Amino acid sequence: AQKITQTQPGMFVQEKEAVTLDCTYDTSDPSYGLFWYKQPSSGEMIFLIYQGSYDQQNATEGRYSLNFQKARKSANLVISASQLGDSAMYFCAMRAWDSSYKLIFGSGTRLLVRP
Amino acid sequence: DTGVSQNPRHKITKRGQNVTFRCDPISEHNRLYWYRQTLGQGPEFLTYFQNEAQLEKSRLLSDRFSAERPKGSFSTLEIQRTEQGDSAMYLCASSSGGGSTDTQYFGPGTRLTVL
Repeated sequence: AQKITQTQPGMFVQEKEAVTLDCTYDTSDPSYGLFWYKQPSSGEMIFLIYQGSYDQQNATEGRYSLNFQKARKSANLVISASQLGDSAMYFCAMRAWDSSYKLIFGSGTRLLVRP
Repeated sequence: DTGVSQNPRHKITKRGQNVTFRCDPISEHNRLYWYRQTLGQGPEFLTYFQNEAQLEKSRLLSDRFSAERPKGSFSTLEIQRTEQGDSAMYLCASSSGGGSTDTQYFGPGTRLTVL
């Protein structure tokens, strides 16, 4: 069975500072992908960044980077230079490529950026 | 380049009534997914289509739930004899099925309230 754990229900960060959102995962599949999505109060899930299990380098996408530590089964999201518009729910998700088409989501972290 | 669209955005119904939601995926995306999200939780997978074929269904999809994608384009999700426990956000996503990530892109969701 696959599982995603996000242990931080809520986080605060000062505007322009960096913040790390934690995500650990559990799977027995050797081939998998890890995704981060942002969900503003409007409800739409916005794709942010992807990391494949065989990728040698950590993924980066603008101000987003993924700190992937395969041995520890963690895939933390780092947001640099936080902006007020970053205030939202953030979800970590996983898909095991060989066994299913579905994404398994964590329970999310609510990030609030303070001015 | 339009994203995933869902209609209606909000639906209020009385217990026991039937409701139907529609999802229009991104053009030429051959994969379509339905998820359900309750308050304070991450989305949970319901079902998946590749073109018109329904290839995967969750145990969450009880007999009262049915999904279709008759021509491999838009999809409908019907809930019969709604119950208060069906109150949730219903999210649709689509993906192209190609590339190394097969990223799922989500629509704005349909929020269902069962009175």
